[in-house]
Amino acid sequence: AQTVTQSQPEMSVQEAETVTLSCTYDTSESDYYLFWYKQPPSRQMILVIRQEAYKQQNATENRFSVNFQKAAKSFSLKISDSQLGDAAMYFCAYRRPYNAGNMLTFGGGTRLMVKP
Amino acid sequence: DAEITQSPRHKITETGRQVTLACHQTWNHNNMFWYRQDLGHGLRLIHYSYGVQDTNKGEVSDGYSVSRSNTEDLPLTLESAASSQTSVYFCASSESLRNTEAFFGQGTRLTVV
Repeated sequence: AQTVTQSQPEMSVQEAETVTLSCTYDTSESDYYLFWYKQPPSRQMILVIRQEAYKQQNATENRFSVNFQKAAKSFSLKISDSQLGDAAMYFCAYRRPYNAGNMLTFGGGTRLMVKP
Repeated sequence: DAEITQSPRHKITETGRQVTLACHQTWNHNNMFWYRQDLGHGLRLIHYSYGVQDTNKGEVSDGYSVSRSNTEDLPLTLESAASSQTSVYFCASSESLRNTEAFFGQGTRLTVV
């Protein structure tokens, strides 16, 4: 079974600064998907960024980027120019190959606080 | 616009009662999932379905059941609610394509007293 670990229960960052959230996972599969979800106080789960394991290039979405280290099984999220609206819970998630089920395995989450 | 909705948003029930949480999606997705969210555990999979009449147990399925009679709905039933089932419940759906994402409902906060 796959496991996902987020070792930072809480992180804080100054507005306009950069912060990196860590995620490691354990799997024996070679083809899989990784995601970062944001959960603001509204509880809505919002997809921030995704990475396909067969792609070596790190995914980027505006101020959000990942550092995907497949051999190390590490998938960290970097938020640049942090904004007050970035304050939320962030979850790292693993998904098996599409033909092996679409369910997600989540990490325990990191609460990000943004200081004005 | 297509969406996925859960009802109710909040519910308080008593120990031992049967409770059903509704999930309805208009994406026409084959895959539907139920997760529960607890502090420190992230979201954990309860049950999932890959299509009509198909249901499967997830990581934390004890005390829960689901049924899939149509594409749009996957209700989650707690047969006899227990205090350990106090949690926030999320329904999600997705397609069975290679590059696809899951869409989540707004969550249901269930309190068992």
